[in-house]
Amino acid sequence: DTEVTQTPKHLVMGMTNKKSLKCEQHMGHRAMYWYKQKAKKPPELMFVYSYEKLSINESVPSRFSPECPNSSLLNLHLHALQPEDSALYLCASSEERGQLYYEQYFGPGTRLTVT
Amino acid sequence: AQSVTQLGSHVSVSEGALVLLRCNYSSSVPPYLFWYVQYPNQGLQLLLKYTSAATLVKGINGFEAEFKKSETSFHLTKPSAHMSDAAEYFCAVVRGQGGSEKLVFGKGTKLTVNP
Repeated sequence: DTEVTQTPKHLVMGMTNKKSLKCEQHMGHRAMYWYKQKAKKPPELMFVYSYEKLSINESVPSRFSPECPNSSLLNLHLHALQPEDSALYLCASSEERGQLYYEQYFGPGTRLTVT
Repeated sequence: AQSVTQLGSHVSVSEGALVLLRCNYSSSVPPYLFWYVQYPNQGLQLLLKYTSAATLVKGINGFEAEFKKSETSFHLTKPSAHMSDAAEYFCAVVRGQGGSEKLVFGKGTKLTVNP
């Protein structure tokens, strides 16, 4: 199974809402990632978890809060978002961090619209 | 810092024609390079990767890329385009070391295949 799943596929939320995005993989990967992708742009790294610990935070605003409850799950908690946060949020995983293992498997993404 | 530049945001070819998507890299150390494809409303899928084992890399779906150090290039080719190849293609490089590695993408090239 080389699949990364993400739920929900689509999410519309108001600026005062709290919501969460979920990502799951069962490949035994120990590194998991959140990316943000605006329309017609490349993915931009937000967070990296390695062995369930946050190892990279790309200066993401605190209204985005990642969580890695176990080695298979990655959540992104959203609170008080702005309309400019509307984007495709991609989750990815890889066996390990580090250059030799940098093949990342991506999920289909969650299309987020903030109204 | 390691980076990649994709030449041409849009490439249009006829079905059966050669596909050539250009990527140039900037790196002071031997780079790890990747090509990913993104179909509409989907996540990214790895096409192929260069990790210094061989300069000509074969990937999935008939794609291949050649690493040319003298030209700092890693262009993606396919001898005969299919309609199903229409997608966005991203070149990427690993940036950083010592626990801070991350994948950095080029701006992407949208491939259109005309019947």
